[in-house]
Amino acid sequence: DVKVTQSSRYLVKRTGEKVFLECVQDMDHENMFWYRQDPGLGLRLIYFSYDVKMKEKGDIPEGYSVSREKKERFSLILESASTNQTSMYLCASSALPSSTYEQYFGPGTRLTVT
Amino acid sequence: GQSLEQPSEVTAVEGAIVQINCTYQTSGFYGLSWYQQHDGGAPTFLSYNALDGLEETGRFSSFLSRSDSYGYLLLQELQMKDSASYFCAVLGNKFYFGSGTKLNVKP
Repeated sequence: DVKVTQSSRYLVKRTGEKVFLECVQDMDHENMFWYRQDPGLGLRLIYFSYDVKMKEKGDIPEGYSVSREKKERFSLILESASTNQTSMYLCASSALPSSTYEQYFGPGTRLTVT
Repeated sequence: GQSLEQPSEVTAVEGAIVQINCTYQTSGFYGLSWYQQHDGGAPTFLSYNALDGLEETGRFSSFLSRSDSYGYLLLQELQMKDSASYFCAVLGNKFYFGSGTKLNVKP
């Protein structure tokens, strides 16, 4: 059974802290994604990676960075957390090539920045 | 810019048929996907249309018209467990998700 896991379900951090969100997939997928989900805004793409050490900006990369040192792991980094980064963060992966581009999502990390 | 429009909320009764529409304007277009998300859960893939026409998977069908930049998800024989949010997503230069449609199924 395919699996995407995220390091925490809930996280509370203080403004200015550096925050690491970890995502691991066990499907040997090439593509990995980080989204944030806010009510009424759907899923917005922060960054994606199509290979180890490769990354591409999504729609809202400001305030975030990513790291992909190994194929199965994709990390999202908030360099200096701010209250407007309070959100649900979802990681996903997909195979390449794919006939459906199906993305498999992790359970999400609900981050609160106080 | 990019935009995906879908209704914010739809209500239907058990056993009925409901259609959730999605219109899009994106940079590049390869296909339209649909995802389901129950409250507190992760999105799960339902369907993908790359070509015009209707794709059927059990009670769910998805339609695409590339010339109209339009698609829809059709849910038949609604069940209470279908109460969830449904997102359309376009694969263009990147992945773009709509803001989601909350489907309420009433007995």
